[in-house]
Amino acid sequence: AQTVTQSQPEMSVQEAETVTLSCTYDTSESDYYLFWYKQPPSRQMILVIRQEAYKQQNATENRFSVNFQKAAKSFSLKISDSQLGDAAMYFCALRTGANNLFFGTGTRLTVIP
Amino acid sequence: AAGVIQSPRHLIKEKRETATLKCYPIPRHDTVYWYQQGPGQDPQFLISFYEKMQSDKGSIPDRFSAQQFSDYHSELNMSSLELGDSALYFCASSFYRGSTDTQYFGPGTRLTVL
Repeated sequence: AQTVTQSQPEMSVQEAETVTLSCTYDTSESDYYLFWYKQPPSRQMILVIRQEAYKQQNATENRFSVNFQKAAKSFSLKISDSQLGDAAMYFCALRTGANNLFFGTGTRLTVIP
Repeated sequence: AAGVIQSPRHLIKEKRETATLKCYPIPRHDTVYWYQQGPGQDPQFLISFYEKMQSDKGSIPDRFSAQQFSDYHSELNMSSLELGDSALYFCASSFYRGSTDTQYFGPGTRLTVL
């Protein structure tokens, strides 16, 4: 069975500052992929970043980067230079060979002007 | 770039009625996934299709059925609706390349059952 845990229901960050959202996961499969999706008030699910488990290098997309610790089964998201538009619910998700996504319970990020 | 299209965006039904949700994947995507997100919940996987065949099944009630058509669009049919079916229903699509495909989500259909 697959599980994804986000232990921070809510986080806040000052505009232009950096924030890290935590995610841990569990799977018995060796081939899997990890994702962060963002869900703003519009409820649209927007892909932020993805990480292949076989890659040691942490993924980066502009201001978004991950810290992937495979042995610890940890996959945190760092948002640098936070902007008001980053305010959203962030979901960590795991995909294994079954192909469908398993989501965590989400972290609501508030950006303070 | 073209995105996943879902229709309708909002739907209001009475208990015991039926509903049909439609999903049009990104062009050239061959795999469709359906997810249900209840209020304050994370999305839960319902069912997926690859090349018009069901590829995986999650927590989809027996009252629900789905299919993928020759043009790759998909429909989720929901019968005997219950109050608990009120949720946001997402469709996601991907281009299957073994295990490297990434799912892109549509805007969702908000179903309200009264």
